Amino acid sequence: DTGVSQDPRHKITKRGQNVTFRCDPISEHNRLYWYRQTLGQGPEFLTYFQNEAQLEKSRLLSDRFSAERPKGSFSTLEIQRTEQGDSAMYLCASSRRDRVDGYTFGSGTRLTVV
Amino acid sequence: EDQVTQSPEALRLQEGESSSLNCSYTVSGLRGLFWYRQDPGKGPEFLFTLYSAGEEKEKERLKATLTKKESFLHITAPKPEDSATYLCAVQAASNTGKLIFGQGTTLQVKP
Repeated sequence: DTGVSQDPRHKITKRGQNVTFRCDPISEHNRLYWYRQTLGQGPEFLTYFQNEAQLEKSRLLSDRFSAERPKGSFSTLEIQRTEQGDSAMYLCASSRRDRVDGYTFGSGTRLTVV
Repeated sequence: EDQVTQSPEALRLQEGESSSLNCSYTVSGLRGLFWYRQDPGKGPEFLFTLYSAGEEKEKERLKATLTKKESFLHITAPKPEDSATYLCAVQAASNTGKLIFGQGTTLQVKP
């Protein structure tokens, strides 16, 4: 068990550019979640997958955001036409469907839009 | 609307000075209440899950308790290594995936 891996750890991009983040969950976990966290705030839910199916999307997830989980393994989160307000820590977490216990979080991707 | 509020926002303690962090919640049917620890630049680290009022869980110097409206994280004789942000989150019975987090309490323990 190597935990939840996120790549890259840090990303600096210019406003208007597209960025993509990757998350590799714990191998036996079939649920995968994306959260966004800004400074001084708790994580905010963005979306989650059960296997390859995207089951819920937050209203925070504008049309510029898209997430995929092909084959129910790793997931990608893409932000198109980035804005300064997108600057945040993007956290990925995974869990087993039959466990209500807390997820396992990755270390996050810190996005800075300049 | 489901909501979680934590207080205080920041707490400074001397080493050995016990205190409590509060987490107030409103949720449409509680499936679970979670406490996490988050160090700067890292993801949240799971501490406890509480499922029903009256439940208590302990881990080293930390003890979490739950009522129908709030949860407390009691820190007994804290050490500098307990310095971190402590996050509370709830999972509603009507929802099978999403956690709703509070804004966190940043704890600083001075030697």
